[in-house]
Amino acid sequence: GNSVTQMEGPVTLSEEAFLTINCTYTATGYPSLFWYVQYPGEGLQLLLKATKADDKGSNKGFEATYRKETTSFHLEKGSVQVSDSAVYFCALTPQGGSEKLVFGKGMKLTVNP
Amino acid sequence: ETGVTQTPRHLVMGMTNKKSLKCEQHLGHNAMYWYKQSAKKPLELMFVYSLEERVENNSVPSRFSPECPNSSHLFLHLHTLQPEDSALYLCASSQQRPNTGELFFGEGSRLTVL
Repeated sequence: GNSVTQMEGPVTLSEEAFLTINCTYTATGYPSLFWYVQYPGEGLQLLLKATKADDKGSNKGFEATYRKETTSFHLEKGSVQVSDSAVYFCALTPQGGSEKLVFGKGMKLTVNP
Repeated sequence: ETGVTQTPRHLVMGMTNKKSLKCEQHLGHNAMYWYKQSAKKPLELMFVYSLEERVENNSVPSRFSPECPNSSHLFLHLHTLQPEDSALYLCASSQQRPNTGELFFGEGSRLTVL
């Protein structure tokens, strides 16, 4: 079946550090891939997405590239800020679309000044 | 009000109580979802409604009962819950079916079962 595996953390970084959150997936064909973020006390919100191989999603300084050959969608940011402290979820929907968005377990990031 | 609104934000109930969670979306979407978020576990999809018709029920215990009276409102009725049902319950909506993965979430209802 479809699944997502991501770093679970928690991770603590200093401001301006480089961030990588690994995400790999299992799915047939070409799923769509997503990163969602959950800030403290809030619901999840879409951060970025990619719908086909080699696509790069980007938003708010974050980037992730859809790598079919390694079935990965790692999230990166060159210089994190305190305001990036949140829980980050990798997710996929199967090729062709589905009501079922499959999430990873989420990774909590804390950024200290 | 904009986006997806959930009430109450916090709820404490005993195992014999009956309560309901409410969700309202102001985005004109045609699909709504209930997710359960527990610590150290992936988000669990509980129910999906598309055009007010339930299209998925992921083997959720019958003590959880959803209701979708129209495309803007979604309820989760709770009765005789167990302590392990304590979690954050998230409502979400989306614009279209099939789901492209772009869900809009509410802030959640934090449920504690004593």
